[in-house]
Amino acid sequence: EAGVTQFPSHSVIEKGQTVTLRCDPISGHDNLYWYRRVMGKEIKFLLHFVKESKQDESGMPNNRFLAERTGGTYSTLKVQPAELEDSGVYFCASSLGQGGTDTQYFGPGTRLTVL
Amino acid sequence: GDSVTQMEGPVTLSEEAFLTINCTYTATGYPSLFWYVQYPGEGLQLLLKATKADDKGSNKGFEATYRKETTSFHLEKGSVQVSDSAVYFCALILYNQGGKLIFGQGTELSVKP
Repeated sequence: EAGVTQFPSHSVIEKGQTVTLRCDPISGHDNLYWYRRVMGKEIKFLLHFVKESKQDESGMPNNRFLAERTGGTYSTLKVQPAELEDSGVYFCASSLGQGGTDTQYFGPGTRLTVL
Repeated sequence: GDSVTQMEGPVTLSEEAFLTINCTYTATGYPSLFWYVQYPGEGLQLLLKATKADDKGSNKGFEATYRKETTSFHLEKGSVQVSDSAVYFCALILYNQGGKLIFGQGTELSVKP
């Protein structure tokens, strides 16, 4: 069974440009999460999809970030326009169910550098 | 608010040494607790978990016990190997928050031969 995949693995962009990150969850996983780790700090939750619906987007930092999950399969996270503080590693995770007993499986992450 | 605090790294040990990475939490509800590990160049992997007080999670020689009285979930291994070199993250989930993981800042472990 294929794991969670993310694309690209690295992205280097100029401040003010747009970047789109993609996540493909494990097939059949209704729950999809985005997290971010900035500057070696803690990994922070961004948002949670259940199928194509946003269940919780309380962690999205501002309206420059837009996440979509059309059709309830893969998800994209767009940053427009990118700022220096957006640099970090963006992780995607998926799970069958939600809550404390359902394991979240993580992708390898996308390292975003904004210059 | 809900949070996880873990000991700062990097931690450097010799092979076969005993490992403890401290983790404490603050939670308004009753959490499940996790340790995730990130090996170089890879994504996070679930190492072990515990869903209720006094539960012990274990995997690959690592153990952690859910201590409600001290709000702790310390990670231990009796004899580390070079292959255990990685970043370790302690995390929690609250049952009423839909699966959102709250992580500590991570502890980098380096094991020297």
